[in-house]
Amino acid sequence: AQSVTQPDIHITVSEGASLELRCNYSYGATPYLFWYVQSPGQGLQLLLKYFSGDTLVQGIKGFEAEFKRSQSSFNLRKPSVHWSDAAEYFCAFTGGGNKLTFGTGTQLKVEL
Amino acid sequence: EPEVTQTPSHQVTQMGQEVILRCVPISNHLYFYWYRQILGQKVEFLVSFYNNEISEKSEIFDDQFSVERPDGSNFTLKIRSTKLEDSAMYFCASSGGQGGYTFGSGTRLTVV
Repeated sequence: AQSVTQPDIHITVSEGASLELRCNYSYGATPYLFWYVQSPGQGLQLLLKYFSGDTLVQGIKGFEAEFKRSQSSFNLRKPSVHWSDAAEYFCAFTGGGNKLTFGTGTQLKVEL
Repeated sequence: EPEVTQTPSHQVTQMGQEVILRCVPISNHLYFYWYRQILGQKVEFLVSFYNNEISEKSEIFDDQFSVERPDGSNFTLKIRSTKLEDSAMYFCASSGGQGGYTFGSGTRLTVV
């Protein structure tokens, strides 16, 4: 079955520390991959996306993600986290159809 | 930057009542979607709409739900007889194809 897994439900990091949020997908071909961020009570903001080409993609707010086909992963990274990055992060993908399939999300807490 | 606009931002309705959630997608987009997110859970696909018809729907999207594009700009989701479990955040999204999704800020539906 096609799916996306975010193994970490909650992550806490200190402000200024590096961050890596994990995302694994299950799909027979190369999917289109996305990371979205959601602040409490807010909508979904696209951080970055991967369709093809360079496997390291840069997004907004200093985030990047790397597509690793061999590991079926698309992990999100940020070198130095800011308190305003506290939010929920969703990995999502689409395959042959147009609908997005979302992971269960990772709640990021930033300690000052 | 073009936006997807959803109204209202919050709707409270009594169980058994009909509700219509409204969305104005990005004007040159061709694909339209509704997703929902029950509090604390992941974002779930409901339905996609293309060329004035439903292109895909999930198991959630039963006979109580319907979508319509009544004119050239609006895209609506109707729930015929709301249940308590329909309480959720409903997101509209539009796409120009090949993964260029833009989400609205959502309508929080509370069924009492």
